[in-house]
Amino acid sequence: DTEVTQTPKHLVMGMTNKKSLKCEQHMGHRAMYWYKQKAKKPPELMFVYSYEKLSINESVPSRFSPECPNSSLLNLHLHALQPEDSALYLCASSQDLGTANEKLFFGSGTQLSVL
Amino acid sequence: LAKTTQPISMDSYEGQEVNITCSHNNIATNDYITWYQQFPSQGPRFIIQGYKTKVTNEVASLFIPADRKSSTLSLPRVSLSDTAVYYCLVGDMENYGGSQGNLIFGKGTKLSVKP
Repeated sequence: DTEVTQTPKHLVMGMTNKKSLKCEQHMGHRAMYWYKQKAKKPPELMFVYSYEKLSINESVPSRFSPECPNSSLLNLHLHALQPEDSALYLCASSQDLGTANEKLFFGSGTQLSVL
Repeated sequence: LAKTTQPISMDSYEGQEVNITCSHNNIATNDYITWYQQFPSQGPRFIIQGYKTKVTNEVASLFIPADRKSSTLSLPRVSLSDTAVYYCLVGDMENYGGSQGNLIFGKGTKLSVKP
């Protein structure tokens, strides 16, 4: 299994809603990532988890709250989002964090619309 | 942290060979060069990775000159399905603790293949 699975594929939420994005991989990877991608822009790194611990937070607003319950799962909890947070949210995994020739495996993303 | 520069866009016709060059003048000794392909509304997909000289797989070739200040992704005999954005990432994942080049996507090259 070389897939990273993200659910839901599409999500529409109001600014007062609380929702969660989910990501799962069964490749035994120990590093997991959240990226945000606006239309016609490159993916922007948000968070990095290594061995279920948060390693990198790219100064993301607190209305985005990541969680890594175990080595296979990664969640992104959303609360009080703004319309400008509408984007494609991508999850990725890699074998480890800290190997020079590492490569990322991405899911298909969750297309989020905030009304 | 090596910064990459790629052409914003390229056009090609089916059956042609396409070469996309990435400049990374500040590449460090331990840095690898990794290329990803991204289709609209999907996550990036790993294509190829190299450190020096030439690397070839079933999808593409990667040419890296001796000074490693640039690299060229070569796609043989492109088809319409190769229309995508191609990203070059350069960095060393061993020095994590801050943002790393091979987690950071530049603007990429939008390749359009015409019939």
